[in-house]
Amino acid sequence: GAGVSQSPSNKVTEKGKDVELRCDPISGHTALYWYRQSLGQGLEFLIYFQGNSAPDKSGLPSDRFSAERTGGSVSTLTIQRTQQEDSAVYLCASSAGSWAGELFFGEGSRLTVL
Amino acid sequence: AQTVTQSQPEMSVQEAETVTLSCTYDTSESNYYLFWYKQPPSRQMILVIRQEAYKQQNATENRFSVNFQKAAKSFSLKISDSQLGDTAMYFCAFSGTASKLTFGTGTRLQVTL
Repeated sequence: GAGVSQSPSNKVTEKGKDVELRCDPISGHTALYWYRQSLGQGLEFLIYFQGNSAPDKSGLPSDRFSAERTGGSVSTLTIQRTQQEDSAVYLCASSAGSWAGELFFGEGSRLTVL
Repeated sequence: AQTVTQSQPEMSVQEAETVTLSCTYDTSESNYYLFWYKQPPSRQMILVIRQEAYKQQNATENRFSVNFQKAAKSFSLKISDSQLGDTAMYFCAFSGTASKLTFGTGTRLQVTL
């Protein structure tokens, strides 16, 4: 597609349920990032994929969070046993690979945990 | 670890006026990049301007320019001739050899008539 696509755009779930958030990056982009943006806060780094290298998971807040990237393209962020503090907008971004390059962001997935 | 600080949570400017958004950062790296990203109410972040640390000349993109003071670790964004469409959250960001962008907490800019 022309840009980074994320789904769902909005997700409301009950505490304790698992959720999956999907990111479809720009075709050909080797780098993919997940960030979390809580209300009134900046962007919190979660995880970074670069080509076939092992992902940088240093930002994942707990073992309830995991992410995978299949075939070097689509990525899924999974949150198990959701908690209310997981409520946030989850942003995905991709880039052509250079660490100095521009990140292209999706519109985000807003997660609300009741 | 790198930190990025934006000390102005909110700012307001009248249309056609000039406004400067502040950003400071902390790093021990000598080679890095600094960015300003804009997030309009639609949520999609877009790159406004980028500065390479090894370049002394300040970056400029049309009405947007930066004042990069490497020794002071300061990276401010100046918006000239402000327009209503400039209303957005503005995030300062740092990228070093660790490859992941570190963002500040943002400045909400409101452009008024």
